[in-house]
Amino acid sequence: GAGVSQTPSNKVTEKGKYVELRCDPISGHTALYWYRQSLGQGPEFLIYFQGTGAADDSGLPNDRFFAVRPEGSVSTLKIQRTERGDSAVYLCASSPRGGPAEAFFGQGTRLTVV
Amino acid sequence: DQQVKQNSPSLSVQEGRISILNCDYTNSMFDYFLWYKKYPAEGPTFLISISSIKDKNEDGRFTVFLNKSAKHLSLHIVPSQPGDSAVYFCAASWVGGSQGNLIFGKGTKLSVKP
Repeated sequence: GAGVSQTPSNKVTEKGKYVELRCDPISGHTALYWYRQSLGQGPEFLIYFQGTGAADDSGLPNDRFFAVRPEGSVSTLKIQRTERGDSAVYLCASSPRGGPAEAFFGQGTRLTVV
Repeated sequence: DQQVKQNSPSLSVQEGRISILNCDYTNSMFDYFLWYKKYPAEGPTFLISISSIKDKNEDGRFTVFLNKSAKHLSLHIVPSQPGDSAVYFCAASWVGGSQGNLIFGKGTKLSVKP
């Protein structure tokens, strides 16, 4: 596709369940980022991939959160034992090399934990 | 502890007039600043950026000013158009930080009235 695609666009899950959020970056983009935006807040950095490896995962809030990018393209953000506080819009972005100014964001996945 | 602050949650401006959006930061290590624009149900879109070695950057109707001594930057939109109505986020990054780790403000919702 032409842009960054995130699926699903909306996800409702019960507290304690496991969820996976998918990001399809723009083809050829080596850098991929995950951010989380809670209501009334700006996006908050979670993790940054350069190729297949996580170059910076310092934003992951705890060990319930994990992200992979096994082939250097599609990435999956995984959340175990979801809590109500995990409810937010999860944004993915990609860029050709790295550097935030060139990053293109997807429309986000709205996660609601009930 | 917010490192990037946008103290005005909203701003209303008449079409054709100037819109001025403000942003303050606390971390003197920040050396690169960006503005993003976000429409509802879409991801943020990069608008304009400025390096700390400059005090002004202009791109069409958009100009960003940086005052390092005051740790303040502003985005000017002249003339404002109804299509500019969106939430504007200020973001910052720093030398030594990963290229994907941006610190965002909470955003300012701009409404441009016809």
